[in-house]
Amino acid sequence: KAGVTQTPRYLIKTRGQQVTLSCSPISGHRSVSWYQQTPGQGLQFLFEYFSETQRNKGNFPGRFSGRQFSNSRSEMNVSTLELGDSALYLCASSLGGGADTIYFGEGSWLTVV
Amino acid sequence: EDKVVQSPLSLVVHEGDTVTLNCSYEVTNFRSLLWYKQEKKAPTFLFMLTSSGIEKKSGRLSSILDKKELFSILNITATQTGDSAVYLCAVFRGGSEKLVFGKGMKLTVNP
Repeated sequence: KAGVTQTPRYLIKTRGQQVTLSCSPISGHRSVSWYQQTPGQGLQFLFEYFSETQRNKGNFPGRFSGRQFSNSRSEMNVSTLELGDSALYLCASSLGGGADTIYFGEGSWLTVV
Repeated sequence: EDKVVQSPLSLVVHEGDTVTLNCSYEVTNFRSLLWYKQEKKAPTFLFMLTSSGIEKKSGRLSSILDKKELFSILNITATQTGDSAVYLCAVFRGGSEKLVFGKGMKLTVNP
């Protein structure tokens, strides 16, 4: 059974640009959530999607957005990149029922220069 | 405000030692507590605990949850160098459908 797949794995962007990250959850999983990991703040919740609906959003500016498609694949977008957006962006998938095991993808390493 | 606190934040041990990692939490609408191991990449799932007092075991690793006192411990016996990693404790908050993470505990196992 394939795990959570994230693309691209590494990318370098310039301040002001935008970036789109993709996540394919484990087959059968309908919940996809996104987390940002930085050395200073640790892992912080960005948003969660279930059946194409955003159920919750973390405390991030509107430059961070996402969506989920009918096949449960998800994308997140960051516009007008800032240096502080440099981080590991992790996607997690679960069945979405509440107390489910949550599995993480390998992450997308974003560097903003 | 939701809080997950891990202690100690770092630990250096020798191969063969036993270690205990602590995680306390104050999270509204607790659903489950999860432990992950992270080695310079994505967090790898170790355990999920939902019921108090029931120990989960996997090889040399075990974990238990105390929902009355709001904490969990992760034990690693007979440590190996391959156990060197950051161990993350997270609580799943219902309603918000999100994991609230602790800062992580960096374990270094020396040969």
